[in-house]
Amino acid sequence: ELKVEQNPLFLSMQEGKNYTIYCNYSTTSDRLYWYRQDPGKSLESLFVLLSNGAVKQEGRLMASLDTKARLSTLHITAAVHDLSATYFCAVLNYGGSQGNLIFGKGTKLSVKP
Amino acid sequence: DSGVTQTPKHLITATGQRVTLRCSPRSGDLSVYWYQQSLDQGLQFLIQYYNGEERAKGNILERFSAQQFPDLHSELNLSSLELGDSALYFCASSALDSPTLTGELFFGEGSRLTVL
Repeated sequence: ELKVEQNPLFLSMQEGKNYTIYCNYSTTSDRLYWYRQDPGKSLESLFVLLSNGAVKQEGRLMASLDTKARLSTLHITAAVHDLSATYFCAVLNYGGSQGNLIFGKGTKLSVKP
Repeated sequence: DSGVTQTPKHLITATGQRVTLRCSPRSGDLSVYWYQQSLDQGLQFLIQYYNGEERAKGNILERFSAQQFPDLHSELNLSSLELGDSALYFCASSALDSPTLTGELFFGEGSRLTVL
């Protein structure tokens, strides 16, 4: 059974600082997704990582994927308050009854001035 | 706007009752997924349909059922409701059945169910 672990689960940052969120998964997969969720809202797709070594950047967020290590990172550069949200990673599951995307528990990010 | 439409947005009901949640996928998407999000359990996959057929089943209770209709909209039926069923229920859609070019899911705004 594919398991996805994120850490940290809670992250309080100061504006202007850098930090990294980690996403580990337990079995082979070569596709990983990052989503953002604002409180009470839907999940918004941020990044789709399709292969080993993939790196995507959008604004202050950069995501990477290392399929050999079964690890993805979401790096935040010079955080601003607008980045406060919960960030989920999800891994594509190629088989079994768990469904196609297995989500981590999410990292709740709070950026303070 | 993801293009996935869910109704109702909010629903308050009593224990023992039955509710139906509705989802219209993005235009052209054949797969519909249902997820339950609660504070303690995170995002839990419930069930997936592809072009009217059940494709995968997750931790869906026997009191819950779903179907996808010929026009591709889907309904999630929750019966004999309990307090613990209070959650945000998301529908998501994707173009194809199994891993696609991206495998990306597009989520609706969710239906918030409160059971009193």
